[in-house]
Amino acid sequence: ETGVTQSPTHLIKTRGQQVTLRCSSQSGHNTVSWYQQALGQGPQFIFQYYREEENGRGNFPPRFSGLQFPNYSSELNVNALELDDSALYLCASSLGGARGYTFGSGTRLTVV
Amino acid sequence: GIQVEQSPPDLILQEGANSTLRCNFSDSVNNLQWFHQNPWGQLINLFYIPSGTKQNGRLSATTVATERYSLLYISSSQTTDSGVYFCGTLPNFGNEKLTFGTGTRLTIIP
Repeated sequence: ETGVTQSPTHLIKTRGQQVTLRCSSQSGHNTVSWYQQALGQGPQFIFQYYREEENGRGNFPPRFSGLQFPNYSSELNVNALELDDSALYLCASSLGGARGYTFGSGTRLTVV
Repeated sequence: GIQVEQSPPDLILQEGANSTLRCNFSDSVNNLQWFHQNPWGQLINLFYIPSGTKQNGRLSATTVATERYSLLYISSSQTTDSGVYFCGTLPNFGNEKLTFGTGTRLTIIP
């Protein structure tokens, strides 16, 4: 079975720009969650998608938005980038959270 | 929401030593996972262990759900065990948001 894949692996953007990060879920997993991990911190929940609908959101502003596609892959979009958005963005897929999450390798975003 | 605390925050050990990492959580959980974050940032799942004890080679984990803690044991540490270890919990009620502790940074010295 294929794991969770994320693209790109690294990205440098300028403040004010917009960015799209992509995630392909593990085969058979119908739920995708996104996390932001700042340097030296634990991952923080951004939001989760289940059957193409947002299914829970953390304490992030509306400029963080997402999509889930019929094949369960997902995108994270961030508008009006700020310097504090620099972080590792992790995608996790699951078949119901109680059965465990599988994480991708992440996208490291740097905003300059 | 659920609070998750990990201890110790940092641990430096000689190769071959044993270590115990702790995860305390403030509410009953539907899921608890231990992860090792590799140098490239990927969270590698070590154990899915909402309760009970599991072993995988030199690693084992125990979760005592009624007392709201979990322990990760690493025996005969190797330098490749270095990195940050996180526990993530999913509460019994509420949305399916995996909440992480702040991690334990383990450094194994040759």
